[in-house]
Amino acid sequence: GNSVTQMEGPVTLSEEAFLTINCTYTATGYPSLFWYVQYPGEGLQLLLKATKADDKGSNKGFEATYRKETTSFHLEKGSVQVSDSAVYFCALSNYGGSQGNLIFGKGTKLSVKP
Amino acid sequence: DTEVTQTPKHLVMGMTNKKSLKCEQHMGHRAMYWYKQKAKKPPELMFVYSYEKLSINESVPSRFSPECPNSSLLNLHLHALQPEDSALYLCASSQRGLFGETQYFGPGTRLLVL
Repeated sequence: GNSVTQMEGPVTLSEEAFLTINCTYTATGYPSLFWYVQYPGEGLQLLLKATKADDKGSNKGFEATYRKETTSFHLEKGSVQVSDSAVYFCALSNYGGSQGNLIFGKGTKLSVKP
Repeated sequence: DTEVTQTPKHLVMGMTNKKSLKCEQHMGHRAMYWYKQKAKKPPELMFVYSYEKLSINESVPSRFSPECPNSSLLNLHLHALQPEDSALYLCASSQRGLFGETQYFGPGTRLLVL
């Protein structure tokens, strides 16, 4: 079946540090991959997505590359800010799954200290 | 405009009450979703509407009753809830409900059942 595994949090970084949040997936075929972010007390916002192998999604300084050979979609940012403190969810959507269903990882909480 | 709105923002109800959650989008999307999110967990899919017809019910108890009066509006009617139903209820929409589509989430309704 389809599944997503994210690194366990929480992750605590100092401002301007480099961020990596690991995400690996299990799926047949070629799923679409997403990173969503949830700020405290809010709903989920799409951060970036990639729909095929070697695609790189990017937004607000965050990047993730769809690696089919390692079934990974790791999230990176070169210099985090306090305002990046949030919970980050990796997700996939795959043909043959429930209609339009997103499979989420468990989420990784990021705290950035000034 | 990629906005999904939800009302109310917060709701407190007793176990004998009847209440409704409302979700609206004006992006012309034809698929709408209800998710339930408990603290420190990823969202769990409850219902999917596609072209105003219920297409997925993820074995949700009958005390939750969804309704899609038109393509822009999605309601969730609540009756005889239990304290364990307290959670953040998220609405989302996507273009047609096909795999790989981006789902756009609303800010959620935080529900407390006493």
